[in-house]
Amino acid sequence: NAGVTQTPKFQVLKTGQSMTLQCAQDMNHEYMSWYRQDPGMGLRLIHYSVGAGITDQGEVPNGYNVSRSTTEDFPLRLLSAAPSQTSVYFCASSPGRATEAFFGQGTRLTVV
Amino acid sequence: GESVGLHLPTLSVQEGDNSIINCAYSNSASDYFIWYKQESGKGPQFIIDIRSNMDKRQGQRVTVLLNKTVKHLSLQIAATQPGDSAVYFCAASGGYQKVTFGIGTKLQVIP
Repeated sequence: NAGVTQTPKFQVLKTGQSMTLQCAQDMNHEYMSWYRQDPGMGLRLIHYSVGAGITDQGEVPNGYNVSRSTTEDFPLRLLSAAPSQTSVYFCASSPGRATEAFFGQGTRLTVV
Repeated sequence: GESVGLHLPTLSVQEGDNSIINCAYSNSASDYFIWYKQESGKGPQFIIDIRSNMDKRQGQRVTVLLNKTVKHLSLQIAATQPGDSAVYFCAASGGYQKVTFGIGTKLQVIP
């Protein structure tokens, strides 16, 4: 049971480049979320999904897109990277709303 | 909206002592609370949770206390060990509100 798998672990982008952060879970969880973690600001919700085909915005959605075509996968797309998107990104899944979340190992993204 | 905060950004404790990490939340509609532990370079890991119909919940060496009157919860770690050194986050959710995380407290265990 791998849990939540994120790829890549590290990434450096130039301003204006696009990329997709991958997230997959093998626990058949309905809920999946993307967070960014910045020093002194805790985890902030970017986008989330309550099931395949359903996504919604979180606290800081600007500059990011998501889709949920399958229960297992929830990729996060940066359309045009900006230095302000330098952060550590975490994907999480959970079986329901008020339940514990399982986090991936994170992707450290640097935009130069 | 929900805001969740911690009183102490860094807590240093002697190995073997008990640790207490505090957290305040602002949304009185919050009904589910979680504590996570995050070690360096890793994702947050679930420690213990509590629902609003409880005041106290115990796990292995950890206890969470919830005071709904003052919107405060705490995490107590008994006999703190070096492996407990990490950043601890509280999180709260309520109704259809999304989970909100605090900024975290760094626990340093002195051998």
